[in-house]
Amino acid sequence: GGIITQTPKFLIGQEGQKLTLKCQQNFNHDTMYWYRQDSGKGLRLIYYSITENDLQKGDLSEGYDASREKKSSFSLTVTSAQKNEMAVFLCASSIETFPNERLFFGHGTKLSVL
Amino acid sequence: GDSVTQTEGPVTVSESESLIINCTYSATSIAYPNLFWYVRYPGEGLQLLLKVITAGQKGSSRGFEATYNKETTSFHLQKASVQESDSAVYYCALGDGSSGSWQLIFGSGTQLTVMP
Repeated sequence: GGIITQTPKFLIGQEGQKLTLKCQQNFNHDTMYWYRQDSGKGLRLIYYSITENDLQKGDLSEGYDASREKKSSFSLTVTSAQKNEMAVFLCASSIETFPNERLFFGHGTKLSVL
Repeated sequence: GDSVTQTEGPVTVSESESLIINCTYSATSIAYPNLFWYVRYPGEGLQLLLKVITAGQKGSSRGFEATYNKETTSFHLQKASVQESDSAVYYCALGDGSSGSWQLIFGSGTQLTVMP
């Protein structure tokens, strides 16, 4: 089996700060994803990547950058943290980007902005 | 766009009782989207519970069942007799191709607590 590791688990930032979240997977999966979850809401797709150096925008990409420099890693940058922002960011991976593919998720990074 | 609506939580049931978590979907981009239930157990990451990719079919896993009903656009999750270990957050999701590439659209999640 494999695992998806997200770091850090908790991230506290200041308003306007640039913050980077990291994700590593050892499944050797081609596709990786970043989702955002706000309290009481469903997961919303920020970015995904179907291979190394590929980036595809999701519905929530504004305010974020992403980077896929290696097949095993996918990072997400909050370009300017918003005051009182609080959300959980989930990284996931799958073998391919097909509609019936199973996604494997990390445990999440919880962001709080002061 | 496509969307998923599911039972608002939290839901509390007693062990050995039956359970149904409702899920309905709206899919404008594709006639027959693929449908999924994901689950997050305490302290664990979100994981696939079951999926159904053919309308009219039923998926099952860990005693849970869900039937893909295209007439009512529903994919309700059911279990005849729940256990304390079923306490978790359950998410209904559909596969969406409206933006030219595939992604999962998730519902807001249903927190289930099973009392001993």
